Amino acid sequence: GQQVMQIPQYQHVQEGEDFTTYCNSSTTLSNIQWYKQRPGGHPVFLIQLVKSGEVKKQKRLTFQFGEAKKNSSLHITATQTTDVGTYFCADKGGSYIPTFGRGTSLIVHP
Amino acid sequence: GAGVSQTPSNKVTEKGKYVELRCDPISGHTALYWYRQSLGQGPEFLIYFQGTGAADDSGLPNDRFFAVRPEGSVSTLKIQRTERGDSAVYLCASSLNGGREQYFGPGTRLTVT
Repeated sequence: GQQVMQIPQYQHVQEGEDFTTYCNSSTTLSNIQWYKQRPGGHPVFLIQLVKSGEVKKQKRLTFQFGEAKKNSSLHITATQTTDVGTYFCADKGGSYIPTFGRGTSLIVHP
Repeated sequence: GAGVSQTPSNKVTEKGKYVELRCDPISGHTALYWYRQSLGQGPEFLIYFQGTGAADDSGLPNDRFFAVRPEGSVSTLKIQRTERGDSAVYLCASSLNGGREQYFGPGTRLTVT
C-alpha cells in the first residue's frame, strides 16, 4: 500500500530557530493532512492540503504541497517551547483510509 | 461541545484475557476510525466505520480483533486472547464524514502482562 516517509525522525532546535519536516512518497499523494501530537497527548488536526503546489499558513506555520503531489512540508518560523511535539503527515487517499507517516519529533531547547 | 472520549484510559490485562475498549465519538460524526499507536510510531489504521457498518477493516491484524458500532455512534473494539504484542495505545477518531479532518480521543493505553 501507500507508504509515507517522514524526515527527520527527530529535530533538536534552540528556541527561536526555524524547523522543517518533510513528508515524501514514491507515488502520488491524494490529500495530505498534518497533525500535531504533544508528549502524552493525542494527534490534533492542523491542516489539509489538496491541490498541487498549495501553500497554506497558520501564524508561524507554513504548509506546502509539492507540484507533483509526491511531497509535502511543514515549516515553523522562530520556534517556541510550545511547538514541542511530534508532527505527523497523513495521506488521506481515495478510500478515506489515512496512512500516517512515522512523525518528526521536535525538541525545542530554551 | 464534548470531544471524542475513550474508556478506560488505561487497561492492564493478563496474556490470554479478553478486553473491550470503548469510544464515544463527537455527536453527528458518521465516520469513526480505530488506530493503534506504538511508541515512536504514527497511528496504524485498524478499522473504519461509516455509520453502523465497517466500511474497511483491512487494518485489523488478525481474527482476535473485532469492532462494532451497532447504533452508528458508540463503538467498541474487542480483543480476544490478548498477547503481549497487543500492548499499545489504542486511539479512536471521528470525522464528520470520511473525507474530512479527524478528531482523536485521548486513547486507551493497553498493557498485556
